Amino acid sequence: GAVVSQHPSWVICKSGTSVKIECRSLDFQATTMFWYRQFPKQSLMLMATSNEGSKATYEQGVEKDKFLINHASLTLSTLTVTSAHPEDSSFYICSARGTEPTEAFFGQGTRLTVV
Amino acid sequence: LAKTTQPISMDSYEGQEVNITCSHNNIATNDYITWYQQFPSQGPRFIIQGYKTKVTNEVASLFIPADRKSSTLSLPRVSLSDTAVYYCLVGIPWGAGKSTFGDGTTLTVKP
Repeated sequence: GAVVSQHPSWVICKSGTSVKIECRSLDFQATTMFWYRQFPKQSLMLMATSNEGSKATYEQGVEKDKFLINHASLTLSTLTVTSAHPEDSSFYICSARGTEPTEAFFGQGTRLTVV
Repeated sequence: LAKTTQPISMDSYEGQEVNITCSHNNIATNDYITWYQQFPSQGPRFIIQGYKTKVTNEVASLFIPADRKSSTLSLPRVSLSDTAVYYCLVGIPWGAGKSTFGDGTTLTVKP
């Protein structure tokens, strides 16, 4: 299947700093990318949907000024957690889909720990 | 978005066939059913997708009755490495695009 790569796999940052997570589609053009957050023992929660060249659409309750999403090319989307706090510590996962293949493929996730 | 209901957990033994059922009573006409597998600290992995009747691939089968209000993921001869969380999603044909992840089913395979 298609490959979606996230970087970094894990990151530890100090409270108040910003962290950027990259999501790349390696072998297909991702017209749409999705960002999820997953807390321990819980399901995935969709945070936002981004289309290449457009502003991201955020789900209700997700602060767009805190979670900045940029989808500048057909192979790269970034999620920046600004002014991170310990409660932002979570597992962040991206997924991507293009016109072909039609299913969405997930990255391996990024474990963010804010101390 | 169609809401899905799955058992919270299931136990099985190596070599057995496992069937995980998902209820989706308000599935829409254009909705597909997609199943994902997730290991701890990893992103979900696509398993299988279907619209009606039966779909089979190299790792699983998906059974969908005529009314499409439920579906069953069948894993033949599970092994310890199949221990994971399994999610059933209902939505647009391209899988997790805008579908909502339910609580998933934690499958534990015992030796």
